[in-house]
Amino acid sequence: KQEVTQIPAALSVPEGENLVLNCSFTDSAIYNLQWFRQDPGKGLTSLLLIQSSQREQTSGRLNASLDKSSGRSTLYIAASQPGDSATYLCAVPNSGGSNYKLTFGKGTLLTVNP
Amino acid sequence: GAGVSQSPSNKVTEKGKDVELRCDPISGHTALYWYRQSLGQGLEFLIYFQGNSAPDKSGLPSDRFSAERTGGSVSTLTIQRTQQEDSAVYLCASRLGVNTEAFFGQGTRLTVV
Repeated sequence: KQEVTQIPAALSVPEGENLVLNCSFTDSAIYNLQWFRQDPGKGLTSLLLIQSSQREQTSGRLNASLDKSSGRSTLYIAASQPGDSATYLCAVPNSGGSNYKLTFGKGTLLTVNP
Repeated sequence: GAGVSQSPSNKVTEKGKDVELRCDPISGHTALYWYRQSLGQGLEFLIYFQGNSAPDKSGLPSDRFSAERTGGSVSTLTIQRTQQEDSAVYLCASRLGVNTEAFFGQGTRLTVV
């Protein structure tokens, strides 16, 4: 059974700082990993999908890396802004026959202070 | 529509009543998921539809919960005889295939009083 852990659970930084969010998973036989953000009272917004064959994926100020062998992914946010404040979630598919099923971490609550 | 659409956005119901939640996936997406997010908890898988295949219902918490997907598009999640522990945000997602990006709707916040 896939288990996903996100550290830290909460993070508060001043505006402009670069930061890293961590995601670890127990079963490394995955096709991909997806990062989402969730604003309070809202649904999930997809940020990046990184395939198992990739080591990195970039979108604007966001960069996601994936190390399957160690079961880890990081989301790097450059030059953070108050608008980046949200909960960040990573999701990993199960392995084997139920690889369509996504398991989520509990998220990292990010606060960027102006 | 451009994204996954869910309705209603909020629903308050009395304990014991039935409720129906609706999800309109992105056009052409064959895979559709329902997840539940309770206060302070992570996302809990409920059910998965893929094309015409039999759905994976393994996450439904009790037989009061059921879901269907008509014509490979719109899905409804029905909760019968609602209980207070059913209060949560119900999220729907769709994707083209297992190795593609999943897109979520804004969710339905269900409150059982």
